[in-house]
Amino acid sequence: DTGVSQDPRHKITKRGQNVTFRCDPISEHNRLYWYRQTLGQGPEFLTYFQNEAQLEKSRLLSDRFSAERPKGSFSTLEIQRTEQGDSAMYLCASKETVENTEAFFGQGTRLTVV
Amino acid sequence: AQKITQTQPGMFVQEKEAVTLDCTYDTSDQSYGLFWYKQPSSGEMIFLIYQGSYDEQNATEGRYSLNFQKARKSANLVISASQLGDSAMYFCAMSLNFGNEKLTFGTGTRLTIIP
Repeated sequence: DTGVSQDPRHKITKRGQNVTFRCDPISEHNRLYWYRQTLGQGPEFLTYFQNEAQLEKSRLLSDRFSAERPKGSFSTLEIQRTEQGDSAMYLCASKETVENTEAFFGQGTRLTVV
Repeated sequence: AQKITQTQPGMFVQEKEAVTLDCTYDTSDQSYGLFWYKQPSSGEMIFLIYQGSYDEQNATEGRYSLNFQKARKSANLVISASQLGDSAMYFCAMSLNFGNEKLTFGTGTRLTIIP
């Protein structure tokens, strides 16, 4: 397994457009997390899945954001009606549901809204 | 709610010297895990080291060690014999349930190694 994969790596979109990002976790990992990182800050939690169930959503996740993980494999994060404030790096991470283990991160999708 | 504080926005260290990156945390939970991640300019978060809240010994991973002082709620990262490739952003993070929940990150420290 080559690790967590995110696509696309970079996305430039016009304000008001919808965008969708994909994350492919490490295959045996049943937990999948989405984080957002703005310039000069640490990543902030958005949401996470245990298999296909979305267990927690941050208050940062407005109604313009939606995430899915059909069949408990890959996940998508969609942003509708993008705003300039959505410009950030979107990071996906996966891990086993085992204590004392780390989450593995993908390389992220950098979104620029113009 | 959990909180991570990293008070050093940037540090410059001579190559081959040791460096300590500070991290303090706040939580009322007893069962938690503390992590350090490295983020080079490429953007990927690379796991370095983990410490569980009930671990009595400080964690070590190669050149990395975690100085865990539970009473002071600090979890400082020590890098020995720094190398040019250590130049990156370093984030301290914590997660409840011994690392099984979401990560809460600090604002990071930018480490620059000087040849």
